Amino acid sequence: DTGVSQNPRHKITKRGQNVTFRCDPISEHNRLYWYRQTLGQGPEFLTYFQNEAQLEKSRLLSDRFSAERPKGSFSTLEIQRTEQGDSAMYLCASSLETGGAFFGQGTRLTVV
Amino acid sequence: AQSVSQHNHHVILSEAASLELGCNYSYGGTVNLFWYVQYPGQHLQLLLKYFSGDPLVKGIKGFEAEFIKSKFSFNLRKPSVQWSDTAEYFCAVNALGNAGNMLTFGGGTRLMVKP
Repeated sequence: DTGVSQNPRHKITKRGQNVTFRCDPISEHNRLYWYRQTLGQGPEFLTYFQNEAQLEKSRLLSDRFSAERPKGSFSTLEIQRTEQGDSAMYLCASSLETGGAFFGQGTRLTVV
Repeated sequence: AQSVSQHNHHVILSEAASLELGCNYSYGGTVNLFWYVQYPGQHLQLLLKYFSGDPLVKGIKGFEAEFIKSKFSFNLRKPSVQWSDTAEYFCAVNALGNAGNMLTFGGGTRLMVKP
């Protein structure tokens, strides 16, 4: 499967713990996006990279959220000091400079 | 900032019925428009997209959408639905000049097709 891959698929963590999610985009795509989706809502944009440069991060929900794409390939999204309100599906997508974005299966985070 | 409205949250149809899902956006500039579908247990998949040209766009699985600029609308249609079309449908907008191809999504419409 050469689509967007996300790991893990599910993560249960205790409040206050840090979590990190990984996204492997489609290999020739230079743009990578993170979105968050809560129940009954459409995905909400968080941040995006063009190659290794993070060109938009003002939509990250708080300073507890950070993302990296160190070599312009895979990306990680970290949430520090998780809160129950962080429980959601975290989606990664990739695209070329033109065209639609292709989404991964997502990582479902549950904070207990 | 742009916003996207999908007025129908839940739609129930019988097989062979015609489908139209509404999508309206608020943004005065140039936009790219998309419809995504999410089948149960699967990831979001691109159904169709509009960038420019013919405002009637044909996508996969017999779906089409019409961009009406004067109405800020991009409604999704299918003449005859099948049980396998049961899914959640999301309209999305990319306002040109925004971060990369950042998408703003509507809240989704959950379609159930009864056999």
